Amino acid sequence: RKEVEQDPGPFNVPEGATVAFNCTYSNSASQSFFWYRQDCRKEPKLLMSVYSSGNEDGRFTAQLNRASQYISLLIRDSKLSDSATYLCVVKGGTAGNKLTFGGGTRVLVKP
Amino acid sequence: ETGVTQSPTHLIKTRGQQVTLRCSSQSGHNTVSWYQQALGQGPQFIFQYYREEENGRGNFPPRFSGLQFPNYSSELNVNALELDDSALYLCASSLERGQDYGYTFGSGTRLTVV
Repeated sequence: RKEVEQDPGPFNVPEGATVAFNCTYSNSASQSFFWYRQDCRKEPKLLMSVYSSGNEDGRFTAQLNRASQYISLLIRDSKLSDSATYLCVVKGGTAGNKLTFGGGTRVLVKP
Repeated sequence: ETGVTQSPTHLIKTRGQQVTLRCSSQSGHNTVSWYQQALGQGPQFIFQYYREEENGRGNFPPRFSGLQFPNYSSELNVNALELDDSALYLCASSLERGQDYGYTFGSGTRLTVV
């Protein structure tokens, strides 16, 4: 079983629509959680940290459920520029300081 | 403030050769991590260096080795290259090894082994 699992997609999303996806993680001792965005053939870039209380950054909302060990990301009013691969990342606990990535969820926003 | 820079950007090597990839960490950052990202997969942790010492290693064979220098820049060396080593190699730096934030990545080195 992978440490961090994501639906690879692609999620085909009409422009202006809302899309949500999540990931699950296996290490219950994980301490920090993130969503990264990766464009084709580019490096991953930090989108946002994720907290149990939930956090929002503009059109993006992230949520952590520690009991069920899953992390979600919701994108409202999708833009064409939101097309990318979204990587779920966990860090800490018994895994130390390394970042453990999921395989990514591909999102395609279409006109 | 300069970001994380990696060199070279692209590289083609022959199976069995050795390669050295370089990373200059963001100004003031003393921790460097290396990741391998194969096509269609998420990045995989290779190892991390903190103040010139290895501080954690992923599931990679000993032919993957590294160094961190006093200025906190770093090298990743891979010996006896195999075709499966073809990947994007990413370097990330951070200020302290225990800080609770995500890392900033360089733009990567794309290695092709033929």
